[in-house]
Amino acid sequence: EAGVVQSPRYKIIEKKQPVAFWCNPISGHNTLYWYLQNLGQGPELLIRYENEEAVDDSQLPKDRFSAERLKGVDSTLKIQPAELGDSAVYLCASSLTTRRGDTEAFFGQGTRLTVV
Amino acid sequence: RKEVEQDPGPFNVPEGATVAFNCTYSNSASQSFFWYRQDCRKEPKLLMSVYSSGNEDGRFTAQLNRASQYISLLIRDSKLSDSATYLCVVRPSGGYQKVTFGIGTKLQVIP
Repeated sequence: EAGVVQSPRYKIIEKKQPVAFWCNPISGHNTLYWYLQNLGQGPELLIRYENEEAVDDSQLPKDRFSAERLKGVDSTLKIQPAELGDSAVYLCASSLTTRRGDTEAFFGQGTRLTVV
Repeated sequence: RKEVEQDPGPFNVPEGATVAFNCTYSNSASQSFFWYRQDCRKEPKLLMSVYSSGNEDGRFTAQLNRASQYISLLIRDSKLSDSATYLCVVRPSGGYQKVTFGIGTKLQVIP
């Protein structure tokens, strides 16, 4: 079974340019997360979707970041315009949420963004 | 105080040694606890959940101390392949359960 798929794996852009990341979760997983991970730090949640609804976007810098999961399956995360401080690894994860709670979250390999 | 605190290390231990990491959490309402493993430049992967009664999986033992609000991970007979960063994960009780990751503890097992 395919895991969480993210693309691209690496991206180098100049500051002030836009960038977009794509994530396809594990089939059947209704919950999707975008995390940001800086070097030497743990992943920090940016946004969590349950199906197509963003249930927690409190940590998403909404002035420049946006995300969508229109059909409740794959998702895109966009940054416009990118800043030097946005250089990090952007991780997507998915899990199955039921009334009993969340199953284990599986992560994609991440997109390593470098803003120059 | 951070929600989840870990010693970033690195912990450099010889092969065959026993090593333990602690992770403290600030929210007493926290209910679920996990250890994830992250290899260099790879994604985090679940190592094990931490149950109230403690649990063991081969050479790995996880324990929870609710009174002192910490969880621990013990690795016995360390292997070179255990070298990685170990992330502590905490999830509070409640309808929407936001997961918080620690910064991770780096383990380097040396020959």
